[in-house]
Amino acid sequence: GAVVSQHPSWVICKSGTSVKIECRSLDFQATTMFWYRQFPKQSLMLMATSNEGSKATYEQGVEKDKFLINHASLTLSTLTVTSAHPEDSSFYICSAGGTSGRGGDEQYFGPGTRLTVT
Amino acid sequence: AQKITQTQPGMFVQEKEAVTLDCTYDTSDQSYGLFWYKQPSSGEMIFLIYQGSYDEQNATEGRYSLNFQKARKSANLVISASQLGDSAMYFCAMREGYGTGNQFYFGTGTSLTVIP
Repeated sequence: GAVVSQHPSWVICKSGTSVKIECRSLDFQATTMFWYRQFPKQSLMLMATSNEGSKATYEQGVEKDKFLINHASLTLSTLTVTSAHPEDSSFYICSAGGTSGRGGDEQYFGPGTRLTVT
Repeated sequence: AQKITQTQPGMFVQEKEAVTLDCTYDTSDQSYGLFWYKQPSSGEMIFLIYQGSYDEQNATEGRYSLNFQKARKSANLVISASQLGDSAMYFCAMREGYGTGNQFYFGTGTSLTVIP
């Protein structure tokens, strides 16, 4: 099946610094990638839809200046958390659309990045 | 209104027994897809099963089956012969329309615990 990687898998940073998270589709091209945020024991919250070569579409309530998304190629999307604060600590997951062959057009998820801001 | 509703925050099942995880959905689209994902404590999202809105037969994937009742807008996941490794969070999701660029809507999840 399709593979999506994320890097880093976990990161600890100090308040006020910026952190970049990479999401790569390893064996397929992804025109669209999605970024989610997940708090403990809660569901995935869609933050933004990332389209290759164009600006990301952010969900209501998500600060686009704080969560910078760049989708420079068909295999790479990055999420940069700028001037991170403790409330930004969370589990960030990316996904890319693919076709399983079973007609599902399922989303393939990266393993996630656990961000802790101290 | 919620697109996906999972009303069971937590479920327990005895090992080797079957368990049903509930999911209802809300859409006015004729074309949509329904998915179940498993999320163990490691955090990765594992695709389990898919049901298309036009599929007449219930989807099955090994020990997983999806009980699709279109008129009731329900897409329950049935896990047969539960194993200890099935303990995880389970999310029901829906995609409206077709295409890999369409967003998924997720339910709040059900935490399943398999008891030895």
